[in-house]
Amino acid sequence: QLQLQESGPGLVKPSETLSLTCTVSGDSISSNHFYWSWIRQSPRKGLEWIGSVSYSGGTYYNPSLKSRVTMSIGTSHNHFSLRLKSVTAADTAVYFCARGLTTVYFWGQGTLVTVSS
Amino acid sequence: DIQMTQSPSSLSASIGDRVTITCQASQDISNYLNWYQQKPGKAPKLLIYDASNLEAGVPSRFSGSGSGTHFTFTISSLQRDDIATYFCQQYHNVPPRITFGPGTKVDFK
Repeated sequence: QLQLQESGPGLVKPSETLSLTCTVSGDSISSNHFYWSWIRQSPRKGLEWIGSVSYSGGTYYNPSLKSRVTMSIGTSHNHFSLRLKSVTAADTAVYFCARGLTTVYFWGQGTLVTVSS
Repeated sequence: DIQMTQSPSSLSASIGDRVTITCQASQDISNYLNWYQQKPGKAPKLLIYDASNLEAGVPSRFSGSGSGTHFTFTISSLQRDDIATYFCQQYHNVPPRITFGPGTKVDFK
């Protein structure tokens, strides 16, 4: 059964870089043509797509975040990652990793990241 | 960017009631519209894809319709397990980009 698990620091200081990893079990990132995505949710902005990475490493990013976002895929360890630089309090949210791009078929449980000094 | 609106923002209903939620897109999105259910503290769950297709394993009391800019999501007979927030989500294919509606919270009257 597919499982996605987010991991990373729950607290990040303003101006620093937020780094999260999503570990995939029950499916191989490199064995199909799915995109793997990051989506965040906050009371202020609701659900917001951050971006997606393909099994081959191709990426699509939300234009509003593109200058600060990097996503990568690690097929040897069946995971994919998110880096969001120069964070502010507005980046405080629950971050979900997920399978799918235009349609999000499966989500991780989410991890709360707070930006605060 | 395409903006999505939902109405109502919240509603109260009784067990067995028919519940209808609408989603409006700021421009024509054909049938590129999905619906998700989210319970408190949980991740969203896909219910309907491409406006009217029921995801595998989802009860048939859930349905969706519409195309262009106006879409409808219906629960034919509300069950206790349906208390949740429901989101619509549109997608572009070229370039790929998705945006979500603000959500509709459904609870018991």
